[in-house]
Amino acid sequence: SQQGEEDPQALSIQEGENATMNCSYKTSINNLQWYRQNSGRGLVHLILIRSNEREKHSGRLRVTLDTSKKSSSLLITASRAADTASYFCATDARGDKLIFGTGTRLQVFP
Amino acid sequence: NAGVTQTPKFQVLKTGQSMTLQCAQDMNHNSMYWYRQDPGMGLRLIYYSASEGTTDKGEVPNGYNVSRLNKREFSLRLESAAPSQTSVYFCASSKGDRVIQPQHFGDGTRLSIL
Repeated sequence: SQQGEEDPQALSIQEGENATMNCSYKTSINNLQWYRQNSGRGLVHLILIRSNEREKHSGRLRVTLDTSKKSSSLLITASRAADTASYFCATDARGDKLIFGTGTRLQVFP
Repeated sequence: NAGVTQTPKFQVLKTGQSMTLQCAQDMNHNSMYWYRQDPGMGLRLIYYSASEGTTDKGEVPNGYNVSRLNKREFSLRLESAAPSQTSVYFCASSKGDRVIQPQHFGDGTRLSIL
């Protein structure tokens, strides 16, 4: 099974609402990354959080990391229709290679 | 401002045919990667090249070969295509091969094997 498992698999919200996605992983990591994928496009790097960090912000994005629970969350505040995409976490659990999760599909309705 | 360019964007092959997927990056990155993306499976690493002149197997290398032609270009070859290789293939690059480096992706090649 995948190292990173996102939850929920799909999420639908209205514009202006917040969206929260979670990522759980199995083995210890040094860092965790979040990527976005718009339909028909490649992945785009959003944010990286190191294992010694608990929270990180980038614009409307807030990422948290709880290494004791082996989980991370991505919060998108005040969602826009343009945020509609799939979101993936990726960890370095295999040491030298990124392992991607299966993703959360976010739909933001105008 | 091209970033990572993949060609072709779409391809349909018959079982047993061969083809090469091309990838080029203009960011002077050292490391390049090939992934496949299947529904419900996330991205799986096929092959990677940590630097020019080196290539290594990833998680799912069987049925594929790669060539790091120069620092810019990294190609993926299917010698005898099988229906199980129907997938979306993504090329990516990063400044270095340390996993802390963000990866930059192309827009993919959608490959169907009949």
